[in-house]
Amino acid sequence: EVQLVESGGGLVQPGGSLRLSCAASGFTFSSYWMHWVRQAPGKGLVWVSHISFDGTTINYADSVKGRFTISRDNAKNTLYLEMNGLRAEDTAVYYCVRDSGCPDFWGQGTLVTVSS
Amino acid sequence: IVMTQSPDSLAVSLGERATINCKSSQSVLFSSNNKNYLAWYQQKPGQPPTLLISWASTRGSGVPDRFSGSGSETDFTLSISSLQAEDVAVYYCHQYYSPPHTFGQGTKLEIK
Repeated sequence: EVQLVESGGGLVQPGGSLRLSCAASGFTFSSYWMHWVRQAPGKGLVWVSHISFDGTTINYADSVKGRFTISRDNAKNTLYLEMNGLRAEDTAVYYCVRDSGCPDFWGQGTLVTVSS
Repeated sequence: IVMTQSPDSLAVSLGERATINCKSSQSVLFSSNNKNYLAWYQQKPGQPPTLLISWASTRGSGVPDRFSGSGSETDFTLSISSLQAEDVAVYYCHQYYSPPHTFGQGTKLEIK
């Protein structure tokens, strides 16, 4: 059974940092591109970043470029999102998404709240 | 690429047809493989999105055949042939043709 389990969310002050993790199981993690997608409370879906299966190709949304860093550890079957310089507008549920040519399987998400 | 869905909300009677449109600001058709890099997702309250349609018209695993996708290049449609109560949700189109990947704003589907 494919599983993606995000963790690391929580309450952080503006300007602070968080590191999200996504533990993958039930498929060969090292063969898949992966994405982070976020959803602010009551709002729509916003793509954040993606990373190739081997980590050599990475792209970011303009809104997070220079502040967020995506990475992966294929030996640990884990995807990461390092978030620095957090702003109130980064408040959202962050989803980890597998890509099998098309983004197909989503984790349950982890909530990040940026507030003083 | 900007994705624009219409309508923003839709109320349809049980058993009737529901149609949601999605327009991209530029073509998402990749000429080398003749594939449209366009997906549709369903999101029910409190749940993550689930894949309905990939490549504009390929139903995802386990997706009922009342769901269908059509269109090419910049204009796409998601149709639900006979609305069921469990289809109440928000539907999103998504282009994965080129980064930054983008989503439509969502269409809220309700029962009339």
